[in-house]
Amino acid sequence: DGGITQSPKYLFRKEGQNVTLSCEQNLNHDAMYWYRQDPGQGLRLIYYSQIVNDFQKGDIAEGYSVSREKKESFPLTVTSAQKNPTAFYLCASSIKQGPQPQHFGDGTRLSIL
Amino acid sequence: GESVGLHLPTLSVQEGDNSIINCAYSNSASDYFIWYKQESGKGPQFIIDIRSNMDKRQGQRVTVLLNKTVKHLSLQIAATQPGDSAVYFCAESSNSGYALNFGKGTSLLVTP
Repeated sequence: DGGITQSPKYLFRKEGQNVTLSCEQNLNHDAMYWYRQDPGQGLRLIYYSQIVNDFQKGDIAEGYSVSREKKESFPLTVTSAQKNPTAFYLCASSIKQGPQPQHFGDGTRLSIL
Repeated sequence: GESVGLHLPTLSVQEGDNSIINCAYSNSASDYFIWYKQESGKGPQFIIDIRSNMDKRQGQRVTVLLNKTVKHLSLQIAATQPGDSAVYFCAESSNSGYALNFGKGTSLLVTP
């Protein structure tokens, strides 16, 4: 089945530590996105990528970094500069960037030890 | 800045009744709208979308209505079932936009 796989499901970070969240898709989609979701809130865009080797900052990019070396993969690194990293992180993809449905993975829940 | 919001944070309906979830948007350039369903601990699941050249679109048990005059969007679920219990998000975008802009969500609780 085609879809988006996020791993791990749960992740714990120590103070001052960088952690990387994995996102893989086999939908052959060009565009990929990372969102952050806080309790009782909507989704906020962190980074997006229209195509391999290209990515752009979203609304809340500070403290995060991404790479897009392969079409299928769009990992997100939560750096120690992100002072409030506890959240539910969602990865999505769409055929192309722009006004069309995005398909989501089942998220990674990041907590601070 | 531009925003997408929902009128009611929670909605409780009885099984078998119809549900209506509302959404207001403020960006007059918005031309694409989409509804998602999110169950606890999972990612949002696509329900239905609509473009601004339409005012109504129907799917299986769901209907989306778009009123561009008052910038209002609604999702109607017919014969609501317990499995419909979830948080529902509306989102919007425009041709010049790079991503979807999400509202805060409405929690739908279906009671037997």
